Amino acid sequence: AQKITQTQPGMFVQEKEAVTLDCTYDTSDQSYGLFWYKQPSSGEMIFLIYQGSYDEQNATEGRYSLNFQKARKSANLVISASQLGDSAMYFCAMRAGGNNRKLIWGLGTSLAVNP
Amino acid sequence: NAGVTQTPKFQVLKTGQSMTLQCAQDMNHNSMYWYRQDPGMGLRLIYYSASEGTTDKGEVPNGYNVSRLNKREFSLRLESAAPSQTSVYFCASRSSSYNEQFFGPGTRLTVL
Repeated sequence: AQKITQTQPGMFVQEKEAVTLDCTYDTSDQSYGLFWYKQPSSGEMIFLIYQGSYDEQNATEGRYSLNFQKARKSANLVISASQLGDSAMYFCAMRAGGNNRKLIWGLGTSLAVNP
Repeated sequence: NAGVTQTPKFQVLKTGQSMTLQCAQDMNHNSMYWYRQDPGMGLRLIYYSASEGTTDKGEVPNGYNVSRLNKREFSLRLESAAPSQTSVYFCASRSSSYNEQFFGPGTRLTVL
C-alpha cells in the first residue's frame, strides 16, 4: 500500500535555529516523487520543494532542503535559520507509479517558531 | 496572472441543497484536481482531470460530480449536500512539464 507518514503532530523551534520535519513513505514503485507543502494559518497551500526518486542529490530551495534517504524511505524537510513566518502546517506528499496525476498526502506537522 | 482562483470563498448550505464550486486557472495547465481537507484527515482527492474532456474519480468521489468545462475551468458539484460534506475544498492544477501542483485559496463549506 502507498502511504505517507508524518509522526510529529507538532514541533517547536527557536527563531534562527534549524528544524527537521520527518516524513516516511511506503511504495513499491521504482519511480516516484516526494513533495513538501506549507499551509500557513491563512489556509493556502504553498509548494516548497520536490525530490524525484532518481535524483542523486538532495533537493534544495533557499532555506529548505530535503534529506532524502532512499533505503530508509524517508524524505525529511530541513528548514535552516527558522523565521517567525515559518510557523505553519507542513505536509509531505508522494506521487507514485510514474503517474503524477495523484498525490498521496501525510496528515501534516504543525510547526511553531518561537521568538 | 491570478494562478488558480476559486469561488466562493465561504458557503453555508442546508442539508439537501445543491451548489457548484468553481475553479479556474490561467496557467494553461492540463491537469486539474479537487481535494477536500478535514481536520486530522489531511488532503483527500475527490476527482481529477488529466486533460480537457477527461475526468476520473479520486479517493472520495461519492456525493460529488465534476465538469471540465474547458482547459481553464473545473467545477465541483454537490447535488444534495450532507453534513459530512462540511469541509475545506481546494482546487489545484499542474502543468505537464512540472511536478508540483498549484493550489487555489480554498472554499470553506458548511452544511447544516
